Amino acid sequence: EAGVTQFPSHSVIEKGQTVTLRCDPISGHDNLYWYRRVMGKEIKFLLHFVKESKQDESGMPNNRFLAERTGGTYSTLKVQPAELEDSGVYFCASSQEGRIPHFGPGTRLLVL
Amino acid sequence: AQSVTQLGSHVSVSEGALVLLRCNYSSSVPPYLFWYVQYPNQGLQLLLKYTSAATLVKGINGFEAEFKKSETSFHLTKPSAHMSDAAEYFCAVAYNQGGKLGGKLIFGQGTELSVKP
Repeated sequence: EAGVTQFPSHSVIEKGQTVTLRCDPISGHDNLYWYRRVMGKEIKFLLHFVKESKQDESGMPNNRFLAERTGGTYSTLKVQPAELEDSGVYFCASSQEGRIPHFGPGTRLLVL
Repeated sequence: AQSVTQLGSHVSVSEGALVLLRCNYSSSVPPYLFWYVQYPNQGLQLLLKYTSAATLVKGINGFEAEFKKSETSFHLTKPSAHMSDAAEYFCAVAYNQGGKLGGKLIFGQGTELSVKP
């Protein structure tokens, strides 16, 4: 089966611009998670979808971040406007109910 | 609340030496515990997991970890390091909800493993 895919693999943008990250989960996985690792810190949970519903968005840092999962398939994470501290690696993961998540390769975001 | 502490952000060993990466967790309920590895420019790969069965868990690439409830630890070991083991290793905890993984993972800060020839 195909794994979790993320696009783009890298993104370099200027402060104030908008960036949209995409995650395609493994087919049939209702659970989709976003995580982020900023430079030198731990990987932190951002939010959790079950199908198209936000189950837990307690990790979203502020209202510049907007996550969607229309139709319960792929998900997007938009950062608008981007700030320098948003630089890092954004991971997506997916799973079936109660199962261990599979992680994607991550999107490396650099905000200049 | 759950938390994970990895002792040592950088560990360096010689090729052929024992690898020991330390992880302590805090959880008010029985946890699921994981070790993930990230090789340079790659994603997170699951090394092994503890899900309340055997306390000694064997994973891929010769790694193993032992769940010690009394010490709240889940240290990762490998008897003999290879150059290819150089990577960053992450310990993580999640809720065990009646035998099913509940929700998000909480990660430690990561340990960078270097292997010297």
